[in-house]
Amino acid sequence: GAVVSQHPSRVICKSGTSVKIECRSLDFQATTMFWYRQFPKKSLMLMATSNEGSKATYEQGVEKDKFLINHASLTLSTLTVTSAHPEDSSFYICSASQIAGRYTEAFFGQGTRLTVV
Amino acid sequence: KQEVTQIPAALSVPEGENLVLNCSFTDSAIYNLQWFRQDPGKGLTSLLLIQSSQREQTSGRLNASLDKSSGRSTLYIAASQPGDSATYLCAVRPGQAGTALIFGKGTTLSVSS
Repeated sequence: GAVVSQHPSRVICKSGTSVKIECRSLDFQATTMFWYRQFPKKSLMLMATSNEGSKATYEQGVEKDKFLINHASLTLSTLTVTSAHPEDSSFYICSASQIAGRYTEAFFGQGTRLTVV
Repeated sequence: KQEVTQIPAALSVPEGENLVLNCSFTDSAIYNLQWFRQDPGKGLTSLLLIQSSQREQTSGRLNASLDKSSGRSTLYIAASQPGDSATYLCAVRPGQAGTALIFGKGTTLSVSS
C-alpha cells in the first residue's frame, strides 16, 4: 500500500513553546490530508481537514489559532501546536487518501506522541 | 450523525482460535469501510478496504464482510497467532471519496500462546 510518513514520532516540549509535526505522502499526491488526535483508550477524533493550497477546515471545538495547519504541497501537510500546554499532550496522527477513480483508501502516518512538560 | 460501534471492546483468546470482531454503523449511506490494526503507540495499518458495493474482502487469514443495509461489518481472523495481538479499528467513510473516516473505539485483541 501507499506510504504516509509522519515526523517526529515523539517530542517532549516545554509549556509555552510550539511544536511542528510533518506529514508526507511518499508515493502519491494528496490534495486532502486529515489530522486526528487520539486519547488513551479512545478512538481517533478528527481535528481538521487539510486542503492543499487553501485554508484548513477545523472540526467544532478545535482551536484554529492553536493548531495551525499548512498544506503547502501535494505531498506535505504540517500541524503546529502553538503555545503548547500540558493538556495538549496526546497522540497526533495524520492521514492521506489515495484516490484512483472510485477507489479511495486511507493511509496513516506513524503518529506523534507529544508530551508537554 | 454517523456513529461507529465496535463490539467487544476487548477479547482474549488462545492461539489457534478463529474469531470475529464486530462493527456497526448508524447511517448506511457510506462510501467505503476500512479495517485497521494499531499496535500500542503506533500508527494505523490498513488491513482491508471494502467498497460500498462489495460484500467482502479477503487478505490471508483475514476476511471482512459488509452488510450495508443493516449497518454491519465483521472482521474474521482465522487461526489466530500471538502476533495478531493489537487493537483493531473499524472506520467508515461517509458519502464521498474526499471525506474523513469516522472511527469506532476499537477492539483490543490478545492472543496467548
